[in-house]
Amino acid sequence: AQSVAQPEDQVNVAEGNPLTVKCTYSVSGNPYLFWYVQYPNRGLQFLLKYITGDNLVKGSYGFEAEFNKSQTSFHLKKPSALVSDSALYFCAVRDSGTSGTYKYIFGTGTRLKVLA
Amino acid sequence: DVKVTQSSRYLVKRTGEKVFLECVQDMDHENMFWYRQDPGLGLRLIYFSYDVKMKEKGDIPEGYSVSREKKERFSLILESASTNQTSMYLCASSLWSGMNTEAFFGQGTRLTVV
Repeated sequence: AQSVAQPEDQVNVAEGNPLTVKCTYSVSGNPYLFWYVQYPNRGLQFLLKYITGDNLVKGSYGFEAEFNKSQTSFHLKKPSALVSDSALYFCAVRDSGTSGTYKYIFGTGTRLKVLA
Repeated sequence: DVKVTQSSRYLVKRTGEKVFLECVQDMDHENMFWYRQDPGLGLRLIYFSYDVKMKEKGDIPEGYSVSREKKERFSLILESASTNQTSMYLCASSLWSGMNTEAFFGQGTRLTVV
């Protein structure tokens, strides 16, 4: 079965510094990978995805992610962090179900705290 | 813009009550999902549906059922609410196939069972 792991419960970074939130995955076949952000008491907002093509994917709010097939990683990055980036971040992979269906498997989330 | 709307932001129910959580999406998506979110556990899939009247169990279906009578609406039912079902419930929808395959989420329903 497909799975994703987010090894860090929390990441602290100073405002203006680059940030990285880590994600590794385990899939059979080609992975469909996603990043989402969640602000307090809200649903998840889609940030970016990797389906195929360029290994560096650009998304919303200046975020990008690097797909690395050999390391089975899909780390989320931003060159310069903002205090407003402080939130909970989830990595996800699309998993095939039965009868040609599919579903999304999420990591446990990483809380990003950007310090002023 | 895709809109996924959950009927309530906050609910408080008593143990043993039958609870209905409603979700509506307006983008003609084939797939709809119910997740629950608990601290340290991330999002866990309860049930999903890939067509009207079609459903599949997720990872934690016990104590829940679902209904999808119309394409745009997916309901989660707690047959007899228990305190261990206190959680944040998130509904999502997505297209069946193609490149635009990301899921879109509702704002969540925070359910407290007392």
